Amino acid sequence: EPEVTQTPSHQVTQMGQEVILRCVPISNHLYFYWYRQILGQKVEFLVSFYNNEISEKSEIFDDQFSVERPDGSNFTLKIRSTKLEDSAMYFCASTLRSEAFFGQGTRLTVV
Amino acid sequence: DQQVKQNSPSLSVQEGRISILNCDYTNSMFDYFLWYKKYPAEGPTFLISISSIKDKNEDGRFTVFLNKSAKHLSLHIVPSQPGDSAVYFCAASEDFGNEKLTFGTGTRLTIIP
Repeated sequence: EPEVTQTPSHQVTQMGQEVILRCVPISNHLYFYWYRQILGQKVEFLVSFYNNEISEKSEIFDDQFSVERPDGSNFTLKIRSTKLEDSAMYFCASTLRSEAFFGQGTRLTVV
Repeated sequence: DQQVKQNSPSLSVQEGRISILNCDYTNSMFDYFLWYKKYPAEGPTFLISISSIKDKNEDGRFTVFLNKSAKHLSLHIVPSQPGDSAVYFCAASEDFGNEKLTFGTGTRLTIIP
């Protein structure tokens, strides 16, 4: 069964460092997303990406965040200068028409 | 601003009985509703969805009911099985195929053998 894969599963980084979270969406899907879940809180929408551009972003997705689909298969989330409050599970998702399929998540720990 | 609310953070149900998980929403623009199940250290897994033109959708042991006038939906699981123990998230979007899902805070369901 096709699935969304994310790497790494866990990333520890120092505050102020740049991180890149990687995702391989399901191959025939058209919409790609990043969500995050801070420990004990709800899953929050960050950004959606369609046709090689951002289609919607939340207020969380500020100038420190960027997304890219560099090669037609990978979908990346970059955080330029990480802060302690960026520590969370980051989920990539993709959809063809309706239900979003989520990856296993990357646990980002900023120290 | 919690546009999607799940007021019960946890629920325990005996195996074989019915589990009912509730969700309320405030945004009248929401048109499409989904339930996701999440195990620890895994991503949310899609369970079942319903469009606002329906009031019920059934898939095996899972049924979702939508009361649009009350802005309320519920997920019924019957019979409940131990493998159903997980966190259940209600989510909504403004139209079918719309990118952005707004999630509730989740309900942890525990099925007691």
